[in-house]
Amino acid sequence: DAGITQSPRHKVTETGTPVTLRCHQTENHRYMYWYRQDPGHGLRLIHYSYGVKDTDKGEVSDGYSVSRSKTEDFLLTLESATSSQTSVYFCAISESTLIGSPLHFGNGTRLTVT
Amino acid sequence: QQQVKQSPQSLIVQKGGISIINCAYENTAFDYFPWYQQFPGKGPALLIAIRPDVSEKKEGRFTISFNKSAKQFSLHIMDSQPGDSATYFCAASQTGGSYIPTFGRGTSLIVHP
Repeated sequence: DAGITQSPRHKVTETGTPVTLRCHQTENHRYMYWYRQDPGHGLRLIHYSYGVKDTDKGEVSDGYSVSRSKTEDFLLTLESATSSQTSVYFCAISESTLIGSPLHFGNGTRLTVT
Repeated sequence: QQQVKQSPQSLIVQKGGISIINCAYENTAFDYFPWYQQFPGKGPALLIAIRPDVSEKKEGRFTISFNKSAKQFSLHIMDSQPGDSATYFCAASQTGGSYIPTFGRGTSLIVHP
């Protein structure tokens, strides 16, 4: 596995509470991504980063924010968790945007919002 | 708008059979088509990929067939094994443009022994 660590691996939280998920990489890759995976919806991009302090929105960014203060860390924050944000969250990294540069995924964080 | 449509959603195959998963795309600017394989409790991992300048790519028991005019591509798993049981995602991306892959919704493959 590429050097990607997601924490926590599992979390249960209550509606309305803030939640932060962490992605840590040891590959020194420039590009980092947050996806959510839901049955019937596949993988949907939440936010991505193309460098330290450089981030942009994906297709399902509402209710989420991100920060990247160091190359190795990409944080995903749910400002006020809702039940619709119950999902499995995957962090991914890539070395470049050149064709053939694959995404390497972490093993996910399962988040349950009650 | 779903840019990459994947079917079937689930697939059950007997050991030794052929598994076929299909994808169709809308954006003719896409020029890279990877497939990812995901085992339970793990993140997806790149399995095989193709560019539209070839119609087929084979790696072991896995083959991608590509039809540029129909804007379709498919994954064939020959001699399917129980260890192939996983979720498979097709994806598409565009060099210099939408470089972040757009994923299909996934196919859950079960291979019975």
